Amino acid sequence: DAKTTQPPSMDCAEGRAANLPCNHSTISGNEYVYWYRQIHSQGPQYIIHGLKNNETNEMASLIITEDRKSSTLILPHATLRDTAVYYCIVRESGAGSYQLTFGKGTKLSVIP
Amino acid sequence: EAQVTQNPRYLITVTGKKLTVTCSQNMNHEYMSWYRQDPGLGLRQIYYSMNVEVTDKGDVPEGYKVSRKEKRNFPLILESPSPNQTSLYFCASSFAWTGRLEFFGPGTRLTVL
Repeated sequence: DAKTTQPPSMDCAEGRAANLPCNHSTISGNEYVYWYRQIHSQGPQYIIHGLKNNETNEMASLIITEDRKSSTLILPHATLRDTAVYYCIVRESGAGSYQLTFGKGTKLSVIP
Repeated sequence: EAQVTQNPRYLITVTGKKLTVTCSQNMNHEYMSWYRQDPGLGLRQIYYSMNVEVTDKGDVPEGYKVSRKEKRNFPLILESPSPNQTSLYFCASSFAWTGRLEFFGPGTRLTVL
């Protein structure tokens, strides 16, 4: 699976959009980008995933660059409850190794 | 309510005393797995199961056993725990394996003295 690079930490003002970047320059054509978050020692929570098109759900939007070498997770109106570690994961879907490899992620702090 | 439950949530034990951490899901999920989380090392997969009676090793299986006799349960067994197995453990489940782990349990914090 391709490796990802994320900033170790970010701050965001409450009510503003939080934009979390992820670099995955070695991504291959059949690898998806997944985002999870973990709120203080709770189990990780799935947020969103995508292959090449931008995706949106009730939690967030995922913007993937045209060359697929990077992506951005957008939380449109961050709240204090969005403070968490956010993990960007790249892997094939439905094939290969049956696991998710979590890196160190980005610690997002939402500030009042 | 759809959920993954783990028991116990907290456990302090001594080296060599066999223990079992239970994991149960009520969503009829085929896929279940166990992860451990340690500071600076992130989450690492221990074992996974694609369905009943089908289990396989993850990245760090040494010192652990699992079984999948029923679809809903996936217990993690430490036959002879050692201090390096002190960690935070998570069970997870999903429908089949699509790369999307839909549900994680609340975690079990294990300390081995």
